[in-house]
This record gives sequence, C-alpha cells and structure tokens, in this order.
Amino acid sequence: EVQLVESGGGLVQPGGSLRLSCAASGFTFSSYDMHWVRQATGKGLEWVSAIGTAGDTYYPGSVKGRFTISRENAKNSLYLQMNSLRAGDTAVYYCARWVRDYGMDVWGQGTTVTVSS
Amino acid sequence: DIQMTQSPSSLSASVGDRVTITCRASQGISNYLAWFQQKPGKAPKSLIYAASSLQSGVPSKFSGSGSGTDFTLTISSLQPEDFATYYCQQYNSYPPTFGGGTKVEIK
Repeated sequence: EVQLVESGGGLVQPGGSLRLSCAASGFTFSSYDMHWVRQATGKGLEWVSAIGTAGDTYYPGSVKGRFTISRENAKNSLYLQMNSLRAGDTAVYYCARWVRDYGMDVWGQGTTVTVSS
Repeated sequence: DIQMTQSPSSLSASVGDRVTITCRASQGISNYLAWFQQKPGKAPKSLIYAASSLQSGVPSKFSGSGSGTDFTLTISSLQPEDFATYYCQQYNSYPPTFGGGTKVEIK
C-alpha cells in the first residue's frame, strides 16, 4: 500500500524551530518529486515547498530563507526544517507525492504545527 | 504567480443533483489542472488530474473538463459521501497554486 506518514508537529514559540518528517512506503521514494502543503484552520491549501529527484528545491516567497526541504532516499524520508517560525505558520502540514502528469496523487494524513507563546 | 479562481465558494445541493464547479486560471496552464476533495479533518484526496483524467479508484460520477484557462468539475448525481470541499490546483508552473475552494453542503 502506498502511504505517507507525517510526524514532528507540535507547539513552538515564535522565533523557534521545528523539523517535520514524512515517512514513505509502498513505492520507490527516490523516483518521485515530493511536496509540502499546509492548511491553516478553516482556510485553503497553500503550497510550502518541493524537492525533485535530483535534490533541486523550490519555495514560495512566504517561507524562502526560513524553511528547508530535504530528503533521505535511503530512509524513504522527506523532511521540512522550519526556522524563525511565526504565528502565521500555524497550520496542518501535509506531505504529498508528485508526478508531472498526475499531480499530487498521494497525501499523508498531516501533522499540526502551532506557533504561539 | 498564477492565480486560480474557483466559483462558487459554496453551494447547497440535494442528493441526486448534478453539481458543477468552475475554476479559472489567470493565465494559460494547458491541461495541468487537478481537482481535490477534502472532508473535515482529513487530507485532500486527488480526484482528477490533467483536467479530465480520473485518478485510480475515483468513481465515474466525477468528471472534469477544460483547457487553457477555464475548467469545470462536475458531479453527475450527488451522494451523501460527496458533501465536502473541493479545490482546483494548477501544476503547470511553480509555484503550484490552489483555488480558494468550493464547499458543497446539503440543502
């Protein structure tokens, strides 16, 4: 079964850091681009970052310079290092598998990040 | 960035109704358009990719159409399990962007 499982969310103070993980199973992880998408409570979906199979990375302006996406193919794992966190980063964070012709076809269940003092 | 505009933002419909949701891109995206369904407290589920292709396991009551800038998602006969929020997303270019969502509620 193809599956993505996020972990690492929690409560952090403004200015703090958190590292999210996404464990992949049931497919050849190294062959797929991977993305992070977040959703604040009651709001829509917002793309956060992406990493290609060659390790190329992409970010929107809202997180560039603060967030770092990485992958460890030997462990079938995706990561999101989040620094200088702000209240506006509070959201559920999802990892998703991406295929050029199929889009984001598999999503994890999400992990919740709360930035508050 | 490409802006995705969905309409309506919400709608009320009855079981058995035919429902259509539209999505407009601020510039041409060919057919790199996906539709997602999201139920409360759950992750988004991919329904359609490439504007009109159904993901594996998605029932044929869902259909998508369009190309360029204008797209539609149609549910042919609404069932209780279809009440949810639906999002479009363009993946033609970075950053991938989502529409604001359409909440489908029971009338």
